[in-house]
Amino acid sequence: DVKVTQSSRYLVKRTGEKVFLECVQDMDHENMFWYRQDPGLGLRLIYFSYDVKMKEKGDIPEGYSVSREKKERFSLILESASTNQTSMYLCASSPRDGFNYGYTFGSGTRLTVV
Amino acid sequence: TQLLEQSPQFLSIQEGENLTVYCNSSSVFSSLQWYRQEPGEGPVLLVTVVTGGEVKKLKRLTFQFGDARKDSSLHITAAQPGDTGLYLCALHTGANSKLTFGKGITLSVRP
Repeated sequence: DVKVTQSSRYLVKRTGEKVFLECVQDMDHENMFWYRQDPGLGLRLIYFSYDVKMKEKGDIPEGYSVSREKKERFSLILESASTNQTSMYLCASSPRDGFNYGYTFGSGTRLTVV
Repeated sequence: TQLLEQSPQFLSIQEGENLTVYCNSSSVFSSLQWYRQEPGEGPVLLVTVVTGGEVKKLKRLTFQFGDARKDSSLHITAAQPGDTGLYLCALHTGANSKLTFGKGITLSVRP
């Protein structure tokens, strides 16, 4: 069964900590995405990547960075976590022609920053 | 910026009832996807619609793409508690398969 795996379902971190969220896909997809999901705001795109070592900013990249050293792995980094980054984080992947095939999402990481 | 509006925001119905929910764009789009997200999980793709006026069926779910390619609807017949979840529409923007999502419709089906 093909899937996208996020390393943690729940995470609690302190303000100021550096936080790594890991995402791995086993479908050989070119595209990978990081979203955050908040009540009333929907899914908002943080960063995406179309290939290894490539990254592009999404709609809300401030306070985040990403790394894609291997095709199957896309990491989201919170350089200095803040309470307003408490959220559900969703990773997704798609083939290069992702529109016709849709996105495959992970189960999400619920991050709480205290 | 292309805006996607979904309505209603929340819907609570009894098992066995029918319902229709909507997704509207501020401009014409080439194609659209519907996803369902269950609590504690990521969204799962239900369908992609690409042609104006297109209708697609998935068991008790009927998806329609408006003739003017600015809107889409999802009709559920005889809703079941298993239909409970967040229904998201998303449209394709740009040349690299980046999707823009609506805020979603929260559906609760009571037994």
